[in-house]
Order: sequence, then C-alpha cells, then structure tokens
Amino acid sequence: EAQVTQNPRYLITVTGKKLTVTCSQNMNHEYMSWYRQDPGLGLRQIYYSMNVEVTDKGDVPEGYKVSRKEKRNFPLILESPSPNQTSLYFCASSPQPGLGGNIQYFGAGTRLSVL
Amino acid sequence: AQSVTQPDIHITVSEGASLELRCNYSYGATPYLFWYVQSPGQGLQLLLKYFSGDTLVQGIKGFEAEFKRSQSSFNLRKPSVHWSDAAEYFCAVGASGGYQKVTFGTGTKLQVIP
Repeated sequence: EAQVTQNPRYLITVTGKKLTVTCSQNMNHEYMSWYRQDPGLGLRQIYYSMNVEVTDKGDVPEGYKVSRKEKRNFPLILESPSPNQTSLYFCASSPQPGLGGNIQYFGAGTRLSVL
Repeated sequence: AQSVTQPDIHITVSEGASLELRCNYSYGATPYLFWYVQSPGQGLQLLLKYFSGDTLVQGIKGFEAEFKRSQSSFNLRKPSVHWSDAAEYFCAVGASGGYQKVTFGTGTKLQVIP
C-alpha cells in the first residue's frame, strides 16, 4: 500500500531534550516536505527536499533541522525543543511534475507537546 | 509571494443542503490550485486540483471547484452535503513550473447538522 509513515504519532517531551520525528514513503517520490499545523494558522511549511541531499527552508524553519540521505526517508530533528514548537506535524511527499504534479501525499501526523 | 485566503473559519450546513467554500489566492502567474480535506485525527487528502484547461474541475466524493482568474478564486462546491463530509478543508496554491513551494490557507471547518 502506497503511504507516508510518520513516527511517533504522539510525543510528549521536555524543553531542550533533542528529538527526531521520522518520515518514510514507499512511493519512490523525489519531493518531501514537513509542515506544522496550528489552530488558525493552517499548515506552514518547515523544510522541503527536492531529492536526496537537497533540502531547503520553508516558511518557518527556525528551531528545526532535516536531512535527506535516502530517497524514502526525511526525518525532522528538533535539537533543543521549546514550548512554542508544540504543534501537529505532517510529512508529505510528491512525485516529479508530469507524474502527478504538485499533488502531495500526507502522513497521518505527529502530535508533539513540549513541556 | 503567493498567498491563500479562506475567509470562512467555520461553516455549518444541514445534511442534503448545498455547500460552497470560498478560496481566494494571490499569485503572479498561472497557479496550481488544490483543495485538501482533513478528517478528524487524519492527515490531508487531495480532493481535486487545477493545473490548466477546463476551469471547472471535478474531484472525489462529489466535490467540484471552479477557477475564476478574474476573481482570483477557486471555490469548492458540493450540491448535497452528507454527514461524512464534516471535516476541515484547506485550499492551497502552488508555484507553476515547480513544486517546491505550496502555500496553504488557514482552513474552513465544516459542520453538518441532521
């Protein structure tokens, strides 16, 4: 089954304790992206990756890191989480244009609480 | 810079009634436009998209949307709403010619009453 898998689905942590949210897709998509969703703000893009070893900042990259060492994986790293990073996070992937264009396939989300 | 406005934060309709969700975008060239739906506790699922051609596009679950360049709008419609349509709906605009930048609206939450 084609899917984008995020882990964990729920995470409670404390300020300053490094964490990683994993994202994996099995559709051989080149493009992957991370979003955060906050009430009244919709989805805001954190980082995206056009292909392996190619990443770039989205609208709200501060406090986050990403890496793309393999095509299927795109982990989101919070080196020193703070309470303002409490949010619902989504990973998404997309094929190249012409093979589906900009359609994005989303994971089920990771709800993060930073105390 | 591209942007999307969904002016209605929350909409309530009766089951069987028609629905229209508004979306206005700002983009300098011909945009890629999308509507996604998010059911409670779920990720986002694509309802429909507009890239070019016919300005009235059909999507899944009986939804359609019309691209109106003169009004910079891409409103979502459904002739008869079902209780299972209760969800949050997001309009999004993407840069034509590339896919690295997709901007989402703030969403419209749809409540369906019996």
